Amino acid sequence: ETGVTQTPRHLVMGMTNKKSLKCEQHLGHNAMYWYKQSAKKPLELMFVYNFKEQTENNSVPSRFSPECPNSSHLFLHLHTLQPEDSALYLCASSQGGPETQYFGPGTRLLVL
Amino acid sequence: KNEVEQSPQNLTAQEGEFITINCSYSVGISALHWLQQHPGGGIVSLFMLSSGKKKHGRLIATINIQEKHSSLHITASHPRDSAVYICAVRSETSGSRLTFGEGTQLTVNP
Repeated sequence: ETGVTQTPRHLVMGMTNKKSLKCEQHLGHNAMYWYKQSAKKPLELMFVYNFKEQTENNSVPSRFSPECPNSSHLFLHLHTLQPEDSALYLCASSQGGPETQYFGPGTRLLVL
Repeated sequence: KNEVEQSPQNLTAQEGEFITINCSYSVGISALHWLQQHPGGGIVSLFMLSSGKKKHGRLIATINIQEKHSSLHITASHPRDSAVYICAVRSETSGSRLTFGEGTQLTVNP
């Protein structure tokens, strides 16, 4: 068991839809992350939250909107996405700083 | 040029073979991670290294800080080891941010 869960696991959406990805960690960690993994490309960091505060935004387009209501939950709100946004979106958590990150199973997103 | 380079990109082995995956990086780091990603996407952290060598079961990870190089070895490989192995580094100045290599796709045939 990973300790980090993500829902949904798969999502197909049109370019005009609004959807949200959810991540929950049961590890008592203070930091949570969103990553994007496109085919044949390295993992890309999108956002970092520490103690519910956003500490990094890696120049992510505004059509991706993160929300961290508490240290255990992280959302990624999606609106007016483009087909090139189709990818695997991974959530991770850690104690913060240099500690090991624990990854969720990911949400595979297809934008039509 | 990526800050983190892995080789080979793809590796096919027969069951039982000794496997080595390499990672080179170009920045000063505080830690290096080896991760395993199975089909379907889930990622598992295998090792976090800042010096020397670590061993867990059939997996061994080494790092040479002076040469900016790390290797992941798998002894007595098994088809269940088939996965993508990813090297990631935390630079000295990046806080919690990791920079990832492109991954090595390993296939172990029975």
